[in-house]
Amino acid sequence: NAGVTQTPKFRILKIGQSMTLQCAQDMNHNYMYWYRQDPGMGLKLIYYSVGAGITDKGEVPNGYNVSRSTTEDFPLRLELAAPSQTSVYFCASSYLDSTLGPQHFGDGTRLSIL
Amino acid sequence: GENVEQHPSTLSVQEGDSAVIKCTYSDSASNYFPWYKQELGKRPQLIIDIRSNVGEKKDQRIAVTLNKTAKHFSLHITETQPEDSAVYFCAASKGVSNTGKLIFGQGTTLQVKP
Repeated sequence: NAGVTQTPKFRILKIGQSMTLQCAQDMNHNYMYWYRQDPGMGLKLIYYSVGAGITDKGEVPNGYNVSRSTTEDFPLRLELAAPSQTSVYFCASSYLDSTLGPQHFGDGTRLSIL
Repeated sequence: GENVEQHPSTLSVQEGDSAVIKCTYSDSASNYFPWYKQELGKRPQLIIDIRSNVGEKKDQRIAVTLNKTAKHFSLHITETQPEDSAVYFCAASKGVSNTGKLIFGQGTTLQVKP
């Protein structure tokens, strides 16, 4: 029972580099979300998707892009990495809406921008 | 937009005592309120949730109360144990009308002293 799988678990980037954080879920959830968690803080929503081909911005979308070509996958793209993007990134998924079931989180990707 | 305030930011209790964490939300349309527990370096995991048509919900040593009029909800942990030590996050959602997005509080670090 894999649930939500995130790769990589850790990554160090140089300023200006680009990378894609991968997220996959095997629960056939329609909704998927990307959050960032800064040290000692709560989770802030970056982007979300309600189904394949449909994405929208959350609270802190600047510097990120997403795509949703399949129900299972929801990658997060950083184009020009900046030190302010150093954070732990969590992907989550749920059914049609959270009132029908909780959001399930992945183990996170710890990203450092130096 | 929706805002969720969580207090206290840190809480230290003696094993066996009770712990109470409080959250206040701003949007009266919010109708789903989950609580997540996050152990150090791990993913957030749902421990209990409550919907707006219920005033209280209990699961063994954990209970959540909701006051819609005052727009606040609280997590109560009784007979605390050292394994309850973690960061606890509250969240609020408007469900289907807002694509299930969760707005998180800032988190409470609970320390249970043996």
